[in-house]
Amino acid sequence: DAKTTQPTSMDCAEGRAANLPCNHSTISGNEYVYWYRQIHSQGPQYIIHGLKNNETNEMASLIITEDRKSSTLILPHATLRDTAVYYCIVNTGTASKLTFGTGTRLQVTL
Amino acid sequence: DAGVIQSPRHEVTEMGQEVTLRCKPISGHNSLFWYRQTMMRGLELLIYFNNNVPIDDSGMPEDRFSAKMPNASFSTLKIQPSEPRDSAVYFCASSKGGRVAEAFFGQGTRLTVV
Repeated sequence: DAKTTQPTSMDCAEGRAANLPCNHSTISGNEYVYWYRQIHSQGPQYIIHGLKNNETNEMASLIITEDRKSSTLILPHATLRDTAVYYCIVNTGTASKLTFGTGTRLQVTL
Repeated sequence: DAGVIQSPRHEVTEMGQEVTLRCKPISGHNSLFWYRQTMMRGLELLIYFNNNVPIDDSGMPEDRFSAKMPNASFSTLKIQPSEPRDSAVYFCASSKGGRVAEAFFGQGTRLTVV
């Protein structure tokens, strides 16, 4: 699986959009970009995934660059409950393992 | 659905004792994963089952660790004998089919070996 690079930490004011970047310059054509988050003391939670088109669901939007070498997870209106570690994972999406890196620690503040 | 259910939530045991962690995956999911999380090493995949069959156990640290999935609704992770360095949070996750696109994680078992 391709490796990913994320900033260690980010801050965001409550109510503002949180934009979390991820670099995956070695991504292969059959690899998806997944995002998970882990709120303190809980198990990781799936957020969204995509291949090459931008995706949106009730939790977030995923913007993937045309060359697929990077992506951005957008939480449109961050709340305090969105404070968590966010993991960007590249995976073929088949029967293979999810490899979690160190992620980005997002702190949402008042 | 209640989600992935793990038990116990917390376990404190003495070094050398046997520890058994339990997991009930979401009904209808046929892939199950055991992860371990520590501050030093983050989230590590220990073993992965598909249709109750272990597919990849390369993450199991050593022979003291064993995992079973006797049926589609139950899995165990056993450590025997336990050591202080096994202290961690152990997560179980399940997903539909062989795809990990949307894996659902349990609340974890916090193991402390003293």
